Amino acid sequence: AQSVTQLGSHVSVSEGALVLLRCNYSSSVPPYLFWYVQYPNQGLQLLLKYTTGATLVKGINGFEAEFKKSETSFHLTKPSAHMSDAAEYFCAVPDGGSQGNLIFGKGTKLSVKP
Amino acid sequence: NAGVTQTPKFRVLKTGQSMTLLCAQDMNHEYMYWYRQDPGMGLRLIHYSVGEGTTAKGEVPDGYNVSRLKKQNFLLGLESAAPSQTSVYFCASSYGASGRGWDEQYFGPGTRLTVT
Repeated sequence: AQSVTQLGSHVSVSEGALVLLRCNYSSSVPPYLFWYVQYPNQGLQLLLKYTTGATLVKGINGFEAEFKKSETSFHLTKPSAHMSDAAEYFCAVPDGGSQGNLIFGKGTKLSVKP
Repeated sequence: NAGVTQTPKFRVLKTGQSMTLLCAQDMNHEYMYWYRQDPGMGLRLIHYSVGEGTTAKGEVPDGYNVSRLKKQNFLLGLESAAPSQTSVYFCASSYGASGRGWDEQYFGPGTRLTVT
């Protein structure tokens, strides 16, 4: 069965600093990898998705993620944090079953200090 | 386009009571999901549906039942609520065009349920 691990349940950065949120998945290579974002008191929304082809994926709000097969990682980055980026971020992968449901990491809450 | 809506937004139940959470989507999506979100646990799949009239168990189905009588609606029922079911419940839907659960999922705003 697939698994996904997000390192760090809480990350705090200063406004303008680099954002790096880590995601590692189990060694069975999934065809798809996702990052979702949840703003306070809202549902999740898709930030970006890796399917096939280019390993560097660009998403909304200036975020991007790089699929690294050799490291089984899909880390999320943003060069310069904004206050509006404060949210919880979830990495997700297909569960490996025939239906391809997603399994979500436990989430990383990003705080941005002024 | 309302997207995915959930009712109610908040609910407090006593142990043993029953209730139904309603999810509706207006995007003509085939796939629908119910998740629960607990602090430090991420999202866990309760039940899902790959089309009208179908339902299937997810990771944590015990204590819940679902029905998908109409394509646009997905109901989650708690027959006898327990304090362990205190959680935030999210409904989501997706096109299902890939034939798998890999398409973008669109989430509702959530229902915060407390069982005392």
